[in-house]
Amino acid sequence: DAGVIQSPRHEVTEMGQEVTLRCKPISGHNSLFWYRQTMMRGLELLIYFNNNVPIDDSGMPEDRFSAKMPNASFSTLKIQPSEPRDSAVYFCASSPTGGTHGYTFGSGTRLTVV
Amino acid sequence: LAKTTQPISMDSYEGQEVNITCSHNNIATNDYITWYQQFPSQGPRFIIQGYKTKVTNEVASLFIPADRKSSTLSLPRVSLSDTAVYYCLVAEGYGQNFVFGPGTRLSVLP
Repeated sequence: DAGVIQSPRHEVTEMGQEVTLRCKPISGHNSLFWYRQTMMRGLELLIYFNNNVPIDDSGMPEDRFSAKMPNASFSTLKIQPSEPRDSAVYFCASSPTGGTHGYTFGSGTRLTVV
Repeated sequence: LAKTTQPISMDSYEGQEVNITCSHNNIATNDYITWYQQFPSQGPRFIIQGYKTKVTNEVASLFIPADRKSSTLSLPRVSLSDTAVYYCLVAEGYGQNFVFGPGTRLSVLP
């Protein structure tokens, strides 16, 4: 298995532009999570899907952030419009529903908004 | 979600055993204890998970006392490559949304 695949690895964009981050979870994993990591705030859970349905989006910072999971093999996190304070590493993780083996994280997308 | 407390940082030397303790006083009956390792520029990586007593795998051991209010991750004979941040998480095993604390930054010195 190729693991959790995220794209792009790096993204540099100008303030005000739309940014879309992509994630392909491990096949057979029914839960998908988006995290954001910064030096100041550490790892923050943004949103969590189970069987493609958003279960908890209380961590999404504001309306500029949205996430979708149209099918079991793909999810997107969109920021529109982007701001410099959105600069961070965004991780996607998946896990088998009901499993006790923990998460598998992707390699992350480093976003820089200038 | 049970709150966890870990030391912010630890130093060790190559070849030593390292024990990192995590406190989780309000752990619930259904909660599991999971440890992750994160290297710079990488996502956290699952190390070990347990519910009670002792769990051992090829990487580490996890010791959990009977009251489950704490747990200790034991790394035998660390090497420089074990320098990383180690996170302790406590949550239910089903569809859980893990909340990561600040973790413990382990520095292994030559």
